[in-house]
Amino acid sequence: RKEVEQDPGPFNVPEGATVAFNCTYSNSASQSFFWYRQDCRKEPKLLMSVYSSGNEDGRFTAQLNRASQYISLLIRDSKLSDSATYLCVVEAAGNKLTFGGGTRVLVKP
Amino acid sequence: NAGVMQNPRHLVRRRGQEARLRCSPMKGHSHVYWYRQLPEEGLKFMVYLQKENIIDESGMPKERFSAEFPKEGPSILRIQQVVRGDSAAYFCASSPSLVLSGNTIYFGEGSWLTVV
Repeated sequence: RKEVEQDPGPFNVPEGATVAFNCTYSNSASQSFFWYRQDCRKEPKLLMSVYSSGNEDGRFTAQLNRASQYISLLIRDSKLSDSATYLCVVEAAGNKLTFGGGTRVLVKP
Repeated sequence: NAGVMQNPRHLVRRRGQEARLRCSPMKGHSHVYWYRQLPEEGLKFMVYLQKENIIDESGMPKERFSAEFPKEGPSILRIQQVVRGDSAAYFCASSPSLVLSGNTIYFGEGSWLTVV
């Protein structure tokens, strides 16, 4: 089983719609969780951290479920510029970030 | 304040040649990480270095790959006798402190290696 698993997509989303997707992780000792965004042939960039209580940043909402070992990202009112690959990132001990394979989102007019 | 600088951005090598990828961390950062991203895949950790020390190389292939971060100068990822399967994007990242966190790591723009 992969340490961090994501549905690769693509998720085809009409502009203005809501899209949500999950990421599962295998290491129950994982300490911190993040969503990164990566555009085609660019470096990954931090989108948001994921807190136990859930957190929101504008149109983006992240949730963490430690019992079931998954995190989720929800995007409301999708914009064309939201088209990207969203990487789930899990941090365990030892200064190492483990990346999921990414979920591709395509927002269409 | 310059970000993480990687060069070359694009590199083409014939099978059997050597590839050297350089990474200068952000000013004040002494921790460097290398990640590899194969086409259509996520980033895979390769190695974590501090100045003059390799801290964790658990993601490095056992042969042909090496990394260093000398006291002076950039970190270098070296791939000897490249093969087609080495074609990938190689991302360097740096952080300012021992405690790495996903929100304190900064990535360079990557070096795209193509082996022909």
